[in-house]
Amino acid sequence: DQQVKQNSPSLSVQEGRISILNCDYTNSMFDYFLWYKKYPAEGPTFLISISSIKDKNEDGRFTVFLNKSAKHLSLHIVPSQPGDSAVYFCAASMTTDSWGKFQFGAGTQVVVTP
Amino acid sequence: DTGVSQDPRHKITKRGQNVTFRCDPISEHNRLYWYRQTLGQGPEFLTYFQNEAQLEKSRLLSDRFSAERPKGSFSTLEIQRTEQGDSAMYLCASSLMAASYEQYFGPGTRLTVT
Repeated sequence: DQQVKQNSPSLSVQEGRISILNCDYTNSMFDYFLWYKKYPAEGPTFLISISSIKDKNEDGRFTVFLNKSAKHLSLHIVPSQPGDSAVYFCAASMTTDSWGKFQFGAGTQVVVTP
Repeated sequence: DTGVSQDPRHKITKRGQNVTFRCDPISEHNRLYWYRQTLGQGPEFLTYFQNEAQLEKSRLLSDRFSAERPKGSFSTLEIQRTEQGDSAMYLCASSLMAASYEQYFGPGTRLTVT
């Protein structure tokens, strides 16, 4: 039962442009959302998160938007840099139950070209 | 402390053999998580510990799987009578209980069952 879905397995973007990664979820009980970034041969690293009480969170070049009514979140990277080339995972959790138990999406491979 | 470490990084075993993986979390982290990742998928939650107590186990964790964290520090994940379907990347992560949203992942142990 895939409760977190990333429907775009890959994304190619030019350096300097905006990367937009999308994520949909089905469980309305999720109230905390995260993005992780993964390079080959390394474990995922935490990138940015958002609580359901907000609709936007920004950290430098990274912004996450949450649309609770659509059960949709997105990650914007502006401007995209070659070092951003990685797999990005969306994850969701319920703070009221098993806090820290994440449900991950399948990931989106981002390639930033010069 | 250089982060979460896992040993071994790679393991090839024959079907029916038992295997054991070790995870050393960041020293001050009291929470430790195990995930499994198969090709083209995101990490799937298996189990987690708070100190030495195993608080939750996923239904993915059949009775052939057992995890321990005997002194609240390192953890082991054992798979008995391995099957080809157990072939995957096994990821360990750790966090502070108060910051469970920010999990630090190790590089993983890649298991291949032949």
